[in-house]
Amino acid sequence: NAGVMQNPRHLVRRRGQEARLRCSPMKGHSHVYWYRQLPEEGLKFMVYLQKENIIDESGMPKERFSAEFPKEGPSILRIQQVVRGDSAAYFCASRGQSRFTTNEKLFFGSGTQLSVL
Amino acid sequence: DAKTTQPNSMESNEEEPVHLPCNHSTISGTDYIHWYRQLPSQGPEYVIHGLTSNVNNRMASLAIAEDRKSSTLILHRATLRDAAVYYCILRVPDTGGFKTIFGAGTRLFVKA
Repeated sequence: NAGVMQNPRHLVRRRGQEARLRCSPMKGHSHVYWYRQLPEEGLKFMVYLQKENIIDESGMPKERFSAEFPKEGPSILRIQQVVRGDSAAYFCASRGQSRFTTNEKLFFGSGTQLSVL
Repeated sequence: DAKTTQPNSMESNEEEPVHLPCNHSTISGTDYIHWYRQLPSQGPEYVIHGLTSNVNNRMASLAIAEDRKSSTLILHRATLRDAAVYYCILRVPDTGGFKTIFGAGTRLFVKA
């Protein structure tokens, strides 16, 4: 059973370009979370999605950032018109079916390292 | 969001036990205590979780105080591969399900 897959592993963009980060959750998982980690800092929650729905986007910047988790295919984190401050590691995590459970563990991918030149 | 407090860093010798403390004085009755760790250049990985009773698994043990306001992650014999950032997290429900909020964690250094 493959784990959470993120690609690309490394992404280099110039200022003003778009970055698209992909996350394929574990098989059977319908809940996806995105986190951002700046160098030497902890993980910051960005957004929580269930298939075709955004459940909580309280950690997403108001502009340039968007996320989706379509019925078919991976979850996508999209950053438009990237700036140098967007350079960070972006991690995706997934979990199983239950919507209201506090004892279920998250499975994380290896992350995408975004570098903005 | 429910908060946890951990020391910034700790040091251990290889083959010795390590006790990583965590304070969570605002914990409520239904909040589970989770521990994750992040090895260098990797995503976090689950270590252990518990509610009230102490828990053991192949990776570690979790000791939870009787009032649940603190807990301790115990690595019985530290190895160099245990060098990582350890996060203590309260998993709390909210209207949309729940989310996992990470603090700064404790960076564990293991000396050979």
